[in-house]
Amino acid sequence: GESVGLHLPTLSVQEGDNSIINCAYSNSASDYFIWYKQESGKGPQFIIDIRSNMDKRQGQRVTVLLNKTVKHLSLQIAATQPGDSAVYFCAENAGSYQLTFGKGTKLSVIP
Amino acid sequence: DTGVSQDPRHKITKRGQNVTFRCDPISEHNRLYWYRQTLGQGPEFLTYFQNEAQLEKSRLLSDRFSAERPKGSFSTLEIQRTEQGDSAMYLCASSNPGSLEPQHFGDGTRLSIL
Repeated sequence: GESVGLHLPTLSVQEGDNSIINCAYSNSASDYFIWYKQESGKGPQFIIDIRSNMDKRQGQRVTVLLNKTVKHLSLQIAATQPGDSAVYFCAENAGSYQLTFGKGTKLSVIP
Repeated sequence: DTGVSQDPRHKITKRGQNVTFRCDPISEHNRLYWYRQTLGQGPEFLTYFQNEAQLEKSRLLSDRFSAERPKGSFSTLEIQRTEQGDSAMYLCASSNPGSLEPQHFGDGTRLSIL
């Protein structure tokens, strides 16, 4: 079936560098995407979302890019900090109630 | 704190026992969702409510799973006759109505079946 997936399961970055986490989706009907951060023992925390009528959205230190042509989503974190270490999930919604999640990417920040 | 609250945070029980988890959503949200998450995986949708109406329950894993939201506020998820394969994190989320609204998650109940 169609699902959301991630290119890289783990990512290590130096503190202060920028991080890029990628996500491929296959459901062309998806019109809403969310990035979540999940720390150990906690639930997913909303970071940023984007609708399919946009190709870029910026938040505080984070930017989400959406390329509908190749069905690709990315999360950019500027000036990565140790507190950014977590598992990051992208999730998609194809116009319904249900979010479909990928497996996640573990981000490790090296001090 | 006005986020989604789940109780208990951890539950350890013997195989065959029944368990019930509670979720208190963000107060102004009328949609409530239950998900299950196993180690190394993303959350998997189970069921959702709009107010007190359970609008989707076909994704509940078996007839041992049931959920209620009797007054449209808090919700409970019950698992009867637990099995070892039920061991997982059970997550609750809430949102405003609409498919373009973010779902906000609680910290989950971690269930361990002995």
